[in-house]
Amino acid sequence: ILNVEQSPQSLHVQEGDSTNFTCSFPSSNFYALHWYRWETAKSPEALFVMTLNGDEKKKGRISATLNTKEGYSYLYIKGSQPEDSATYLCAFAQSGGSYIPTFGRGTSLIVHP
Amino acid sequence: EPEVTQTPSHQVTQMGQEVILRCVPISNHLYFYWYRQILGQKVEFLVSFYNNEISEKSEIFDDQFSVERPDGSNFTLKIRSTKLEDSAMYFCASSDGINYGYTFGSGTRLTVV
Repeated sequence: ILNVEQSPQSLHVQEGDSTNFTCSFPSSNFYALHWYRWETAKSPEALFVMTLNGDEKKKGRISATLNTKEGYSYLYIKGSQPEDSATYLCAFAQSGGSYIPTFGRGTSLIVHP
Repeated sequence: EPEVTQTPSHQVTQMGQEVILRCVPISNHLYFYWYRQILGQKVEFLVSFYNNEISEKSEIFDDQFSVERPDGSNFTLKIRSTKLEDSAMYFCASSDGINYGYTFGSGTRLTVV
């Protein structure tokens, strides 16, 4: 069973704050790292799929970095808005096996106006 | 934007009954998945389906579970004899390939009483 950990479990920030959270995964046999945003009463929405060490991806105010050698990825949100409130899930896919991503528990972000 | 649709959105069933959860994946996607999330727990992989057959399945996906793609568009998950612990949110997802993020449906909340 792959160990995919996300921290913190939950986060409350004020509108306009920038924030970041972490996904940790095994540093061996890396294949891909996915990030999803999951808003309440909706389905998880793909944000990024990262495959190369040192990858940086950006989508509007959200960006992500990847360090496969040490086994972590950071998700950054610049100038948080209330509509950013959601659970952010990462999922790690390992090579040499099924390549099916294993999900972390998620970080629940609440942005207060 | 293409969507993955799931029906029903909520199903209540008695323990021991059979249920069929339905999904219509994105039409040109090749890979199909079922995941579930028991309340308060991680999103868990159940099964993947490619080229009209199961490509991977988890330990959770035992003999009480089965999947079908009966008509080339629908993708169904059948739970033969439901148990209380099968109560969860079941998500269908599809993707273009293992290097791509998943598109999730909005889920079916299954409650076994």
